Amino acid sequence: GDSVTQMEGPVTLSEEAFLTINCTYTATGYPSLFWYVQYPGEGLQLLLKATKADDKGSNKGFEATYRKETTSFHLEKGSVQVSDSAVYFCALSDQPNRDDKIIFGKGTRLHILP
Amino acid sequence: GAVVSQHPSWVICKSGTSVKIECRSLDFQATTMFWYRQFPKQSLMLMATSNEGSKATYEQGVEKDKFLINHASLTLSTLTVTSAHPEDSSFYICSAYRLVGLYQETQYFGPGTRLLVL
Repeated sequence: GDSVTQMEGPVTLSEEAFLTINCTYTATGYPSLFWYVQYPGEGLQLLLKATKADDKGSNKGFEATYRKETTSFHLEKGSVQVSDSAVYFCALSDQPNRDDKIIFGKGTRLHILP
Repeated sequence: GAVVSQHPSWVICKSGTSVKIECRSLDFQATTMFWYRQFPKQSLMLMATSNEGSKATYEQGVEKDKFLINHASLTLSTLTVTSAHPEDSSFYICSAYRLVGLYQETQYFGPGTRLLVL
């Protein structure tokens, strides 16, 4: 079945460092790919998404490119801030217009030190 | 943005008792809500899809008699863990569908409810 694998955390970086959180997926079709973020005490929020190969999703300085050849969707940010400390989930969905049956990775906790 | 709330945020109960968790969409109507379960250091696992006015659809391996779901209105779905046991201790998260475009729906997630069964 479909699955998502992301790097285990926690990841600890200093403020203004470059961030990469790796994510690879296994799917039979052409899924949509997502990154969700969960800040302490809050629900998951959609950070960015990409629906087809070579699409780049971006939001709040974060970027991820849908790489079909490597089945990857790595999350990057050029200069992280303390406020980026959260848990990040990579996810996929086979439904093109509905984020139905979302399959999540295990999540990566990110700590940013001032 | 769309807000989904859950109540309670955490609950401790004795083994054998039942616990009800509420999920509300605060500023939109949701015909479809989802219930997930998350174990420590594990991914969210979909338990069931809750549809307003009809029976919930459970994922394979989820006991429908143990996890009772009621979607009584367009803004409220409840999950009742019946005769809870320590192995039911987990983090339960709900989400609600919202139409964000002509053909696009997306899920908005609640903050989760942590259940500890003693």
